[in-house]
Amino acid sequence: NAGVTQTPKFQVLKTGQSMTLQCAQDMNHEYMSWYRQDPGMGLRLIHYSVGAGITDQGEVPNGYNVSRSTTEDFPLRLLSAAPSQTSVYFCASSYSSGTQPQHFGDGTRLSIL
Amino acid sequence: AQSVAQPEDQVNVAEGNPLTVKCTYSVSGNPYLFWYVQYPNRGLQFLLKYITGDNLVKGSYGFEAEFNKSQTSFHLKKPSALVSDSALYFCAVRDITGSNYQLIWGAGTKLIIKP
Repeated sequence: NAGVTQTPKFQVLKTGQSMTLQCAQDMNHEYMSWYRQDPGMGLRLIHYSVGAGITDQGEVPNGYNVSRSTTEDFPLRLLSAAPSQTSVYFCASSYSSGTQPQHFGDGTRLSIL
Repeated sequence: AQSVAQPEDQVNVAEGNPLTVKCTYSVSGNPYLFWYVQYPNRGLQFLLKYITGDNLVKGSYGFEAEFNKSQTSFHLKKPSALVSDSALYFCAVRDITGSNYQLIWGAGTKLIIKP
């Protein structure tokens, strides 16, 4: 089915480890973004991309890197995991940067010990 | 500063009754307003949006929302609740201070529909 695919669904890391959360979409959407969702809070934007080769920081970018080498893929890298990064991470896409997020992945539940 | 508030952490409604999930906002200028729904262990799904025009906006799954400029509200409504409507609902407003289309999100309201 067309949509946004995130892997893995669950991950447990130790403090200081690094990892990459994968996000892929097959709708040829230009705009992709990463959010984190914490209990009792709305989604917070980490990084976003308006097209291949273009990325920018959102509200809470510290500790995360992104790249956009293709239209389809937008991986999120945790450089050195910290317990404060325990969260649920969502990737979203839309056909352009001029509209709201249209499709979300099912999320990656990340725990940092 | 721009903000969105969902004053109720949880709303309980009996199946078949009308439901309302409240949202208030604070923005400068004309607001772009959105509702999303999140089912357990799933990503968010777009329900509806208000940009301009009719104050009553119709969306997916029989939901609608009423924009009230004087009360700065954008409440989500449905005439007859279903058990399957039980989910987490998020209100959001477009952040007009940025150069891109970014949203400011409410904290979410858990809707529980009891049979």
